[in-house]
Amino acid sequence: KNEVEQSPQNLTAQEGEFITINCSYSVGISALHWLQQHPGGGIVSLFMLSSGKKKHGRLIATINIQEKHSSLHITASHPRDSAVYICAAQGGSEKLVFGKGTKLTVNP
Amino acid sequence: DAGVIQSPRHEVTEMGQEVTLRCKPISGHDYLFWYRQTMMRGLELLIYFNNNVPIDDSGMPEDRFSAKMPNASFSTLKIQPSEPRDSAVYFCASTLSLSGTQFFGPGTRLTVL
Repeated sequence: KNEVEQSPQNLTAQEGEFITINCSYSVGISALHWLQQHPGGGIVSLFMLSSGKKKHGRLIATINIQEKHSSLHITASHPRDSAVYICAAQGGSEKLVFGKGTKLTVNP
Repeated sequence: DAGVIQSPRHEVTEMGQEVTLRCKPISGHDYLFWYRQTMMRGLELLIYFNNNVPIDDSGMPEDRFSAKMPNASFSTLKIQPSEPRDSAVYFCASTLSLSGTQFFGPGTRLTVL
């Protein structure tokens, strides 16, 4: 069983919809990372959080340490949000353990 | 800053050949990471350096893989001899500290025939 599980694997939405991607982890962590991988392959770090909630533009990331669960929300989704979203748990060794990613497609 | 620079962007080689991937981290970043991404396994950490010293190489798949960081601005990942199962995208990333954001390079897409 992977230490970091993401759901769903694939997600298709219409422009304007509210998107939620979930991430569950089984290890103790010092931080949880959300990454975005563009169709061209480049990877960008979106958030790093260890508690509570962070917001950047239309993106919101939340984490519940007790439940070992994090969510990434996208409000008013747009076709340019189409990408693979990857969560990664940073454990005691400080290494990142990655989920398999959620492929998001937003249709106009 | 130009960000993390990787070369080559694409590499096609034949089984048994030596492959060298290169990475230039962001200036001033003390940590450098090498990752591998495949369809089957996703992203995996291979090795990371702190101040040019390898700290954790437990993700290096086997002795055919080696990584060096001779100075703060350059690192190499070498595969010798290469095998078709090494085909993947290899990413380099750097960060100021382990508790900080990691900045990824564009990746090197390796195909071993």
